[in-house]
Amino acid sequence: DIQMTQSPSTLSASVGDRVTITCRASQSFSFWLAWYQQKPGRAPKLLIYKASTLESGVPSRFSGSGSGTEFTLTISSLQPDDFASYYCQQYNSYPWTFGQGTKIDIK
Amino acid sequence: DVHLVESGGGLVQPGRSLRLSCAASGFIFSSYWMSWVRQAPGRGPEWVANIKSDGSEKYYVDSVKGRFTISRDNVKNSLYLQINSLRTQDTAVYYCATYSRAAGLVYWGQGTLVTVSS
Repeated sequence: DIQMTQSPSTLSASVGDRVTITCRASQSFSFWLAWYQQKPGRAPKLLIYKASTLESGVPSRFSGSGSGTEFTLTISSLQPDDFASYYCQQYNSYPWTFGQGTKIDIK
Repeated sequence: DVHLVESGGGLVQPGRSLRLSCAASGFIFSSYWMSWVRQAPGRGPEWVANIKSDGSEKYYVDSVKGRFTISRDNVKNSLYLQINSLRTQDTAVYYCATYSRAAGLVYWGQGTLVTVSS
């Protein structure tokens, strides 16, 4: 199984900050990685797929990069609506696995 | 618009069974792989199972193999998850989602809560 280790687990930031979340995989794979945003009481929302492709309708301040064992999600300028939890997920091989999550809260 | 609506959750005793349903609309259901993902209270999501568009392939996480069965009815545009021998560790919100190899888990339902407790 591919284990996904996400860091940091929590992040305190201010509106306008540039934020980076990292996901490390226990085995190398190409680009079958997605990033999701989740707000309390809501289902996860797809932000990025294939490591770097922005889902339709997602603001361009979100970007993804990486391959192999290290992937990153970057928010270029944090907005009030971005305070939420974020999860990476590999869908390269079964069983699919998620990272433990990163919660972004207000500094 | 794509709509996925889960139902069938509730409070269940350990060892009992439950059948979750997911009603799909707004897209060609029979063309999509579908997934179940669950999320225990205060935890991250956990992928549970996948089923191919025609139902011919199914995949499960190890912790549910032999107890959970994913199925679908492409005439009724519905996805199902039969859960047997429920354990307290199965307590979670269960989501259905569409899956495409190109884009991962794109559309999600609102979830249905399963609570396993005596």
